[in-house]
Parts: sequence; structure tokens; C-alpha cells
Amino acid sequence: AQSVTQLDSQVPVFEEAPVELRCNYSSSVSVYLFWYVQYPNQGLQLLLKYLSGSTLVESINGFEAEFNKSQTSFHLRKPSVHISDTAEYFCAVSAFRGSQGNLIFGKGTKLSVKP
Amino acid sequence: DTGVSQDPRHKITKRGQNVTFRCDPISEHNRLYWYRQTLGQGPEFLTYFQNEAQLEKSRLLSDRFSAERPKGSFSTLEIQRTEQGDSAMYLCASSFAGGMDEQFFGPGTRLTVL
Repeated sequence: AQSVTQLDSQVPVFEEAPVELRCNYSSSVSVYLFWYVQYPNQGLQLLLKYLSGSTLVESINGFEAEFNKSQTSFHLRKPSVHISDTAEYFCAVSAFRGSQGNLIFGKGTKLSVKP
Repeated sequence: DTGVSQDPRHKITKRGQNVTFRCDPISEHNRLYWYRQTLGQGPEFLTYFQNEAQLEKSRLLSDRFSAERPKGSFSTLEIQRTEQGDSAMYLCASSFAGGMDEQFFGPGTRLTVL
């Protein structure tokens, strides 16, 4: 079985500051890793994913995440945040093999960007 | 491609009533998932279909819950004899099985049980 821990439930930050949202996972098998974002009053949107290959993955809006197998982490970072990044961010895992692909989510981190 | 749609977006019901939600996946997607999200929590997996076959149900899915996908297209989730603890956002997602299938989520149905 897999589990996901998002260490911070809320992260307040000022505009243009860097941010890191932490995610650790537990699994006895190899996993795929995802970050989803949920803007206010909207559905979940995939932000980025790690399936294989390069451990550093990037999104189109400046976020990046690095898969660290030894630390079982997949932290999300952005060097300079905007007001529009205010949202809730969910880390999720899915088993690599023998799985129907259902996602196991963390509890989410609310990012609040202040001017 | 209009994305995953869910109907209704909001449902208020009285305890003990039955409710049914509908999910229309992206047309070429053969996998369909239901999740439930309560306040302060991430989405939790409920059940999963590949085409019309329901292949897995979570322990969260009590006997009062039933899901169908009769023609391998849209799906319904019914909750019988609703309880206040059923109040949550019910999310539907779909994907195309092949490699690692990215799941696309609908906007959700928010259920409030009074």
C-alpha cells in the first residue's frame, strides 16, 4: 500500500518569494508521482508528473519538482510566486505495476500568496 | 473534447434520502474513477471502472453506495439512505489505459446532507 504525507497544511508567502511545498511518500513498490493544483472553486488539474527518466520535472507555469528516491520525496518548488498561484496543491502517488492506477493523495497544502 | 463533466454540481438533501450523481468522461477514455473529498482532506479513492466493468471498490464504499457504468461511457454513483457523514465533494476522473494513464478530473458534485 502507498501513503502520502504533505508536511505543511498552509504555506503563506509574499509575492515574488520562493516557495517549497513538501511531499513524502511511502510505498513498497515503485510509484508514479504527481502534483495536482486546485484553484478556488475549480476542479483538480494536473500540474506535473514523474513517471521515469529525469528526476527533475517542470510545469509550464514555472513550478518544478524533484523525485528523490532515497528520501522518498517529491517536493514542489517555484523560485518566484505570483498572486495567481494561490491555490491548494495535492501530491499523489500511484503504484507502478499491478495497479489499476488509482491515485493516493496527500491532505493538501494551501498556498497563499500575499502582495 | 469538452473534458469530464459532472451533474449536478451541488446537491442538498435530507438525511435518509437517496441521491444519484452522473459523470460523463472524456469520450475516448476507457477508465473512470470516483473519489470523495471531505473538508481538509485530499481526494480518497472510491471505485474504478475499465469500460463497463467495475474492477475495484474501496473499503470506503459502504453497501449504501453503488456505482454503474452500463455502456462503458457515462457513470452514475448512487447513495442510498444518506447520512450526514456522506457530505463531501464527489469527484469523477477519467483516463485512457495505456502506459501511465493521466487522470483528468471533473469539477465535482458537492453533496450536503442535512
